[in-house]
Amino acid sequence: DAKTTQPPSMDCAEGRAANLPCNHSTISGNEYVYWYRQIHSQGPQYIIHGLKNNETNEMASLIITEDRKSSTLILPHATLRDTAVYYCIVRVTGGSEKLVFGKGMKLTVNP
Amino acid sequence: DAGVIQSPRHEVTEMGQEVTLRCKLISGHNSLFWYRQTMMRGLELLIYFNNNVPIDDSGMPEDRFSAKMPNASFSTLKIQPSEPRDSAVYFCASSLWQSPSTDTQYFGPGTRLTVL
Repeated sequence: DAKTTQPPSMDCAEGRAANLPCNHSTISGNEYVYWYRQIHSQGPQYIIHGLKNNETNEMASLIITEDRKSSTLILPHATLRDTAVYYCIVRVTGGSEKLVFGKGMKLTVNP
Repeated sequence: DAGVIQSPRHEVTEMGQEVTLRCKLISGHNSLFWYRQTMMRGLELLIYFNNNVPIDDSGMPEDRFSAKMPNASFSTLKIQPSEPRDSAVYFCASSLWQSPSTDTQYFGPGTRLTVL
């Protein structure tokens, strides 16, 4: 079972920041938080991941709370092409490379 | 970099036929993952390999499914005999496994399989 909880959907206006929440209250100390997205009919696309520090790359920023029980993915200037299903994933540990995808959250960016 | 390559992109077959899906890893990657996606079950991991060795095949639905890595850059997923309930989009992904902090899976475009 997925170890994360996301709202099923969210809308955002084009050009505005999109803040995508994720709860992972049972996360262990050595588990990473990963974010992927899937644009319709395409393969999932890696966005970002982090352990406990905030992370930023060319696509997004990841803010992880100090207790690590939740995180927020921030798309600073959402475009129509960011419309997709976003998956927040806590990576299974014990040396396994598994990513367990939940239902994700549908982000719709409106013009 | 060409990314993960999958073929065919679409496959339509009849129940009972053998189906072979193919995947070429990103050059230099050492881990390979096969996923299946359906509306009902979402995206689920079938099997993954590390350095050509199957590590976890607990997601393989039954004996009709088999996966191989004949070399370090190529994998096949075979379904024999195929059934209508196997209809799904099959994705493969590859990664360079070095440590948890660097492991990132890159997905191919998928193969849409329809079994009539």
